[in-house]
Amino acid sequence: AQSVTQLGSHVSVSEGALVLLRCNYSSSVPPYLFWYVQYPNQGLQLLLKYTSAATLVKGINGFEAEFKKSETSFHLTKPSAHMSDAAEYFCAVSEEGQNFVFGPGTRLSVLP
Amino acid sequence: DAGITQSPRHKVTETGTPVTLRCHQTENHRYMYWYRQDPGHGLRLIHYSYGVKDTDKGEVSDGYSVSRSKTEDFLLTLESATSSQTSVYFCAIRGTRGLDGELFFGEGSRLTVL
Repeated sequence: AQSVTQLGSHVSVSEGALVLLRCNYSSSVPPYLFWYVQYPNQGLQLLLKYTSAATLVKGINGFEAEFKKSETSFHLTKPSAHMSDAAEYFCAVSEEGQNFVFGPGTRLSVLP
Repeated sequence: DAGITQSPRHKVTETGTPVTLRCHQTENHRYMYWYRQDPGHGLRLIHYSYGVKDTDKGEVSDGYSVSRSKTEDFLLTLESATSSQTSVYFCAIRGTRGLDGELFFGEGSRLTVL
């Protein structure tokens, strides 16, 4: 069965600092992996996705994630945090033909 | 804009009353989903549909039913609402780019059961 863990329910960084949000998954087959962002009182928006092409995936707003099969990880990074990045971030996994499974989410705060 | 509209966006109701949430899409996608979002749990799948009149249960389906009589509409019904069903409900559709299609979400429906 698929599952997703996100280390840290709340992460705080200073503006301009590196953002690192962790995601580990379990899957019995090569998965599809996704990061979504949710701003207050809104639905989820896709940041980026991995679908077995390049292991380093670039998304919107300067975010990127690297698929590491040996570590079963798909961590999300951004070199320099901006105040507008404050939101909740969800990692999700989907196996071929199966439904999505979401992690519990990580709330990112950006301090001035 | 993925063309997904949820209604109502906010609802307060009392325990024991029926509630129906509507999801409408303009994209003609086959797959539609209902999730609930609760702190610390992320999104959990309630029910999903893979076509008109074709639906199946998700991981938290108890107390919920769904119907899909048209491609564009997917209804979620709480037959007798309970306080544990206070949550934010999201509808989603799956992009039709093969088996790696991402989900597109509506804006959510916040339900409070008193």
